[in-house]
Amino acid sequence: TQLLEQSPQFLSIQEGENLTVYCNSSSVFSSLQWYRQEPGEGPVLLVTVVTGGEVKKLKRLTFQFGDARKDSSLHITAAQPGDTGLYLCAGVEPSGSARQLTFGSGTQLTVLP
Amino acid sequence: NAGVTQTPKFQVLKTGQSMTLQCAQDMNHEYMSWYRQDPGMGLRLIHYSVGAGITDQGEVPNGYNVSRSTTEDFPLRLLSAAPSQTSVYFCASSYREIRGHTLNTGELFFGEGSRLTVL
Repeated sequence: TQLLEQSPQFLSIQEGENLTVYCNSSSVFSSLQWYRQEPGEGPVLLVTVVTGGEVKKLKRLTFQFGDARKDSSLHITAAQPGDTGLYLCAGVEPSGSARQLTFGSGTQLTVLP
Repeated sequence: NAGVTQTPKFQVLKTGQSMTLQCAQDMNHEYMSWYRQDPGMGLRLIHYSVGAGITDQGEVPNGYNVSRSTTEDFPLRLLSAAPSQTSVYFCASSYREIRGHTLNTGELFFGEGSRLTVL
């Protein structure tokens, strides 16, 4: 199983600040997914990045896949309390194995009003 | 739209008891899986299935059994509960897509979770 290191584990910021969450591995992934999870619910997909170097934007969220497809980042601009949640990255292995998805340990983000 | 439905949402067991967590999806997804979520450890794969009649082990399969008799249902059985199995369990399903030369798992659709406490 490939490992995904996610950092930071916890992040507490004021409304309006910017932040970046990192997802790193020594292994190559065929794609990488980012999920957000709110208390008492299951994770919900935000975005999938597929191509090395790819950048995707979702309103104030910017996702980047590393050129070598080993790492990814999530940048939030002007964070709002509604962004509070657990952010999880998940790498899809290139082997074709059905086990495929490896999750990072998550970043718990709290945005204070 | 139902999506992925898990029951029960909460359960308390005594050590040694057995139980089944139910999972059903109505999206005709081939792929179904069970994860457990523990603080600071993200989601760990217990068992998965790529279609009816096919199951396989994930990262942490010990103490759990699964079966997939239909496309819709994927129950998770705890044979003899232990305190180490106290966790939040998530069932997820997905379509599978061909990308390049490989068959890949697409977006995972999760249930709302089942919180299990083993005393």
